[in-house]
Amino acid sequence: GQQLNQSPQSMFIQEGEDVSMNCTSSSIFNTWLWYKQDPGEGPVLLIALYKAGELTSNGRLTAQFGITRKDSFLNISASIPSDVGIYFCAGRGSNYKLTFGKGTLLTVNP
Amino acid sequence: EPEVTQTPSHQVTQMGQEVILRCVPISNHLYFYWYRQILGQKVEFLVSFYNNEISEKSEIFDDQFSVERPDGSNFTLKIRSTKLEDSAMYFCASSSGTGPSPLHFGNGTRLTVT
Repeated sequence: GQQLNQSPQSMFIQEGEDVSMNCTSSSIFNTWLWYKQDPGEGPVLLIALYKAGELTSNGRLTAQFGITRKDSFLNISASIPSDVGIYFCAGRGSNYKLTFGKGTLLTVNP
Repeated sequence: EPEVTQTPSHQVTQMGQEVILRCVPISNHLYFYWYRQILGQKVEFLVSFYNNEISEKSEIFDDQFSVERPDGSNFTLKIRSTKLEDSAMYFCASSSGTGPSPLHFGNGTRLTVT
């Protein structure tokens, strides 16, 4: 099956710092999605990417769909305490299934 | 903004009992999904559902599991005889289409099997 490697597993940063996390896949995806999950809640969509090479921003968040279609990264600029949470990448191939990465736990120290 | 709603938020059941987890997807969405997240682990695909039938399922979704859309708004996941290892957060999701349509998730049902 499709495997997603997400890194880093966790990050501890100071408020105001920039953050970068990425995902790589063993197979090609047609869609990359980035979600954030707060404790006790469901994943909330942050950014959706649909084309290889696409670079999309949502406020302080920027994500890119890799040219090879096997990778994606998410950057958060000027982090704030409410950025704390688990960030998941997710990819979708030609079928219905969305495959999730294992998540990046982000801690922001004020 | 429309959202996916799930009930109950927490379900405690004894091993061997049947449970039904309920979801109301976003009203104009056509594709429905169940995902599972064991504590501290990643979100795992269980099943997708379209046009009143299962379109894809994972190896986790064995004969103990079933899904149903009993009316025009609800989408349910039934676990026939729960096991301890079924304890997890179960997330329902919906999308307006496949391909470029992102999934929108509910807040989940925490299932605890004792």
